[in-house]
Amino acid sequence: DTGVSQDPRHKITKRGQNVTFRCDPISEHNRLYWYRQTLGQGPEFLTYFQNEAQLEKSRLLSDRFSAERPKGSFSTLEIQRTEQGDSAMYLCASTSRDRAVNEQFFGPGTRLTVL
Amino acid sequence: GIQVEQSPPDLILQEGANSTLRCNFSDSVNNLQWFHQNPWGQLINLFYIPSGTKQNGRLSATTVATERYSLLYISSSQTTDSGVYFCAVGMNYGGATNKLIFGTGTLLAVQP
Repeated sequence: DTGVSQDPRHKITKRGQNVTFRCDPISEHNRLYWYRQTLGQGPEFLTYFQNEAQLEKSRLLSDRFSAERPKGSFSTLEIQRTEQGDSAMYLCASTSRDRAVNEQFFGPGTRLTVL
Repeated sequence: GIQVEQSPPDLILQEGANSTLRCNFSDSVNNLQWFHQNPWGQLINLFYIPSGTKQNGRLSATTVATERYSLLYISSSQTTDSGVYFCAVGMNYGGATNKLIFGTGTLLAVQP
């Protein structure tokens, strides 16, 4: 069991550029979450997938953000026209398809810096 | 929405001391997790404890769901225990998605 992986681990970009992050959940997990963490704060929920369906999006997910999980396995999070306020750690988590078991496991995160 | 409060916000201990971290939450939940965030930002699962008591080595946790709080105990602290401890809660009944709501964390520094 290899755990949740994320790529890249670090991304530095200039304001106005587009960036895309990838998350590979634990292989048997069908529920996948994206969170964002800014300095000194706890992670905040962005969006949730069950299999390939995106079932919930936070108000934090502006129209510049889009997330996909096309085959119900890996997921991507894209930010268009990045702004300095998008600088944060982007975390992905997954959990079991068994709804009686709700423990979430997190990846190492992608740290985004927008210059 | 659910509110999650953690206390204390900061804690400085001498190596070998014991400590208790508290998490209060404002609504019924069926997921409660404690995490340790290391200096590289990785969230390490400590306990999945929506109710009851669990122990893992020098760490233990208790959640009293009816009174909406959870406690994390660290005994015989070590410098490697330093970092931020987060409590997070979630719901997955009534159509909720079990998204986690995090507290603001407790920053623990263990001095040699």
